[in-house]
Parts: sequence; C-alpha cells; structure tokens
Amino acid sequence: NAGVTQTPKFQVLKTGQSMTLQCAQDMNHEYMSWYRQDPGMGLRLIHYSVGAGITDQGEVPNGYNVSRSTTEDFPLRLLSAAPSQTSVYFCASSYRGTGGYTFGSGTRLTVV
Amino acid sequence: AQSVTQLGSHVSVSEGALVLLRCNYSSSVPPYLFWYVQYPNQGLQLLLKYTTGATLVKGINGFEAEFKKSETSFHLTKPSAHMSDAAEYFCAVRLQTGEKNLFFGTGTRLTVIP
Repeated sequence: NAGVTQTPKFQVLKTGQSMTLQCAQDMNHEYMSWYRQDPGMGLRLIHYSVGAGITDQGEVPNGYNVSRSTTEDFPLRLLSAAPSQTSVYFCASSYRGTGGYTFGSGTRLTVV
Repeated sequence: AQSVTQLGSHVSVSEGALVLLRCNYSSSVPPYLFWYVQYPNQGLQLLLKYTTGATLVKGINGFEAEFKKSETSFHLTKPSAHMSDAAEYFCAVRLQTGEKNLFFGTGTRLTVIP
C-alpha cells in the first residue's frame, strides 16, 4: 500500500521555467491538497480538491495551477518559476469526514 | 476564520523529562484537532487527533493531548522524553463543517538533551 506518492523528490529550476509536481494516492480519498512548507511559517495551503473535477484555491495560490481529472492524481503546475517558490511541497489526501490527512514525503524545489 | 498558535518555536528537554508542547486555536465553530510529527527530511505523520468524545486522546509513541474547550487549547504531552522524539511538531485544525482543509501552526522543534 503506497499511500501518497510524490515525484520528483528534488528539483532545481531556473527562473521562468515551468514544471509539474506529481502526486498520486491509492487510498480512494476524496480530498487532496497541496501545501508548501517554509521555515518558521508552518504549512500553507496552495490548492485543494474535494473530488475529481473540483478544485479550489487555498491561502497562497498565485503562480500555481492544479487539475483533478481522476480521484488518484492531483498534479501541481508551476507556470513560470520564481525564486520565491523555493520551498518544500507536500501533497496530502483524506477521506471525507473526521480523519486526518495522509502526507507524501515531499518535493524539495529550488529556483535559481 | 480559524488560526492555530504554537507557543515556542523551539523547546528543549532532557531525556526522561516531561514533554509539553502548547497549541491554542481560534475557530468560529468547533474544530477537529490534530498533532503531526515531522522527522528530518520526511513528510508529516499523524500523532493523534480529537474529533468528538473523550477529551484526552492518546496517540502513537506515548504521546497524548487534552482538548480544553474553555481554554481553546490542545497541548501535547509525553511523560518521559526519548532521544527519538527529537523532531518538529505541528498542531492543526480542521473545521467540522464547511472548510475541509487542515490549517497548521508554525511548528515547534523539539530537542532532547541526553
């Protein structure tokens, strides 16, 4: 049982480049979210989805796009990378209800 | 709106001493409450959660937390610290209705001194 799988684990981008961070879960969870983690700021919500075909913005959505064509996958797209997007990105998923979220192991992104 | 405050970005305890990590929340409706642990270069792992019922909840690795509605608190404790407890701990809230996402505090880094 893989849980939440994120790829890649590490990535270096040049300013202006675009890329997609992949996230897949095999637990049939309805809810999926993307967070970024920065020192001293905890985890901040970027985008989230409550089901296939439904997405919405979180606290810090600028510069990022998402889509959810299947229950399993929730990719995060950086449109034009900026140094301010240097961070560790976590994908998480949850059942509808009272449960906590299950997190992936993260993607460490550096934009130079 | 909801928010989470974790008092103390760094906490140091001696091995065998009590661990107390503080979390206070602000929410317009009763929330669900969670503690997560993050070991270096890893993702977040759920330690324990409070949804309804008994206000003292027990989690993994000997940790427990007590929901105190009157104090809007959900402090995390462990009677005796172990070296393996050194990690960063995050308190999080999730509303019972409407918003389904987790909102995190800024984290507390726990150091255990041998």
